[in-house]
Amino acid sequence: GDSVTQMEGPVTLSEEAFLTINCTYTATGYPSLFWYVQYPGEGLQLLLKATKADDKGSNKGFEATYRKETTSFHLEKGSVQVSDSAVYFCALRQSAGNMLTFGGGTRLMVKP
Amino acid sequence: NAGVTQTPKFQVLKTGQSMTLQCAQDMNHNSMYWYRQDPGMGLRLIYYSASEGTTDKGEVPNGYNVSRLNKREFSLRLESAAPSQTSVYFCASEAEAVQNTEAFFGQGTRLTVV
Repeated sequence: GDSVTQMEGPVTLSEEAFLTINCTYTATGYPSLFWYVQYPGEGLQLLLKATKADDKGSNKGFEATYRKETTSFHLEKGSVQVSDSAVYFCALRQSAGNMLTFGGGTRLMVKP
Repeated sequence: NAGVTQTPKFQVLKTGQSMTLQCAQDMNHNSMYWYRQDPGMGLRLIYYSASEGTTDKGEVPNGYNVSRLNKREFSLRLESAAPSQTSVYFCASEAEAVQNTEAFFGQGTRLTVV
């Protein structure tokens, strides 16, 4: 079946550091890929998505590129802020009617 | 704008007790979901309802039941709680269960079974 693997956290960075959170997936066909973010005490919310190979999703300074050849969708940000401290989930979804498959989540802690 | 609302936010149960988690959305979405979140395991789907009047099992349905009361509301019931059901439960909704759609989540219910 489909699966998503994320780097284990927590990831601790200083403010303005560069962020990479790795995500790889196993799936047949051409899934859509997502990054969801969960801020403390809140539910998940969509951060960005990409629907086909070589697409780049971006939002709030975060970016991720759909790499079919390496089955990856790594999340990056050039300069993190304290307010980016959260848990980040990579997810995939196959064609219509199938459900989201989530990775285990990566906690990011940004220190001033 | 409320979005997806879950109640209660916190609950402690004794083993064997029953309870119902409530979820309501005000976005006129057709599809609704219940997930559980456990450390290191991401979110796992318990049950879902693709549209009003239908429900289906997800990845981890054992020990749970659901009711899609109407288009707005989707409840999750634990008939006889067990410590293994200690978790954070999230309800989510989507306009349609299609490949590129965005899911909207509630704030979660933290359940402890002792």
